[in-house]
Amino acid sequence: AQSVSQHNHHVILSEAASLELGCNYSYGGTVNLFWYVQYPGQHLQLLLKYFSGDPLVKGIKGFEAEFIKSKFSFNLRKPSVQWSDTAEYFCAVNDGSSGYNKLIFGAGTRLAVHP
Amino acid sequence: GAVVSQHPSRVICKSGTSVKIECRSLDFQATTMFWYRQFPKQSLMLMATSNEGSKATYEQGVEKDKFLINHASLTLSTLTVTSAHPEDSSFYICSARMVGVAYYEQYFGPGTRLTVT
Repeated sequence: AQSVSQHNHHVILSEAASLELGCNYSYGGTVNLFWYVQYPGQHLQLLLKYFSGDPLVKGIKGFEAEFIKSKFSFNLRKPSVQWSDTAEYFCAVNDGSSGYNKLIFGAGTRLAVHP
Repeated sequence: GAVVSQHPSRVICKSGTSVKIECRSLDFQATTMFWYRQFPKQSLMLMATSNEGSKATYEQGVEKDKFLINHASLTLSTLTVTSAHPEDSSFYICSARMVGVAYYEQYFGPGTRLTVT
């Protein structure tokens, strides 16, 4: 079964610092990869997604992620974080083995950005 | 576009009673809806997948007789927690996949916080 690992559970940064959140998945076949963000008290929102093509994916709010197939990774990056980026970030991979294409989520990374 | 709502947003019930949570896709039709459970400071755990007009598919370890799912239309799915117990207290989140969309993006509702006393 597919699994997703997020290496950083808590990250604390100052504003303007660069961010990289790690995400690794286990399945070696064709994958669809996602990063979701959950701001305090709000619902999950899609930051970006990868299905095929250019492995460097740009999302909303200045985020980007790079799909590296050989490393089974899909790390999230942002060159300069803002206080408003304080949130929980979830990496997810589509698991099509069940026929329903369900999403498997990582444990999440809680990001705190200090002004 | 692609808005998913949940009702209620919060509910408190007594142990032994049943609670129904609604999930609606407001501006699109959803072929498939998903129900997740999120414990504090933890990730989303998929409970079940439901397709309109058919029985839900439950994940391993989820009691289908306790968590009843009905997907009566392309815009509405309901989760009923039957004979709720304090350990069922959690944050329940639904998501919906749009009809006709080739890729596998899900749109998430705001969640329902259930507290069983």
